[in-house]
Amino acid sequence: AQKITQTQPGMFVQEKEAVTLDCTYDTSDPSYGLFWYKQPSSGEMIFLIYQGSYDQQNATEGRYSLNFQKARKSANLVISASQLGDSAMYFCAMRTFGNEKLTFGTGTRLTIIP
Amino acid sequence: EAQVTQNPRYLITVTGKKLTVTCSQNMNHEYMSWYRQDPGLGLRQIYYSMNVEVTDKGDVPEGYKVSRKEKRNFPLILESPSPNQTSLYFCATGQGAVGELFFGEGSRLTVL
Repeated sequence: AQKITQTQPGMFVQEKEAVTLDCTYDTSDPSYGLFWYKQPSSGEMIFLIYQGSYDQQNATEGRYSLNFQKARKSANLVISASQLGDSAMYFCAMRTFGNEKLTFGTGTRLTIIP
Repeated sequence: EAQVTQNPRYLITVTGKKLTVTCSQNMNHEYMSWYRQDPGLGLRQIYYSMNVEVTDKGDVPEGYKVSRKEKRNFPLILESPSPNQTSLYFCATGQGAVGELFFGEGSRLTVL
């Protein structure tokens, strides 16, 4: 069975600071993909970044980067230079190749303070 | 414009009254899935479909049905809704086994 754990229910961060959102995962499948989604207060799910288990380099998308530590089974999201618009719920998710289930963590509510 | 459209967006109904939440996508994706989101539990998969006429259970399928008669549509059916099915529902689509999923805007359902 696959599992995603997000241990930070909520975080408060000063604007312009970098923030790291923690995510650990558990799977016995060697082939998998890791995702981060953002859910603002309006409710939609916005895809942020993807990391494949065989990718040699950490994924980056603009201000978002994924700190992938395979041996530790962690996939932390790093947001550089946080902005007020980054205030939202953030979900880590995993999908194993051949298993069409996308498993989500319970989320971290990030609040950026001016 | 690539879209995943869910209807209705908001619904209040009563216990036992059958309802259907529709999901339609214009991206020609093979994979479609339904999730429910509840506070403190994240998103949990209800059902998914790999292609037309191919559906399978997710983590929380009890009380729900789905069908996939056309590639673009994947309706979620609640035959006899109960209050514990009050939730925010998301439809998602994707191409193949990897890559991002595209989500609909969500349907907030309240069962009294």
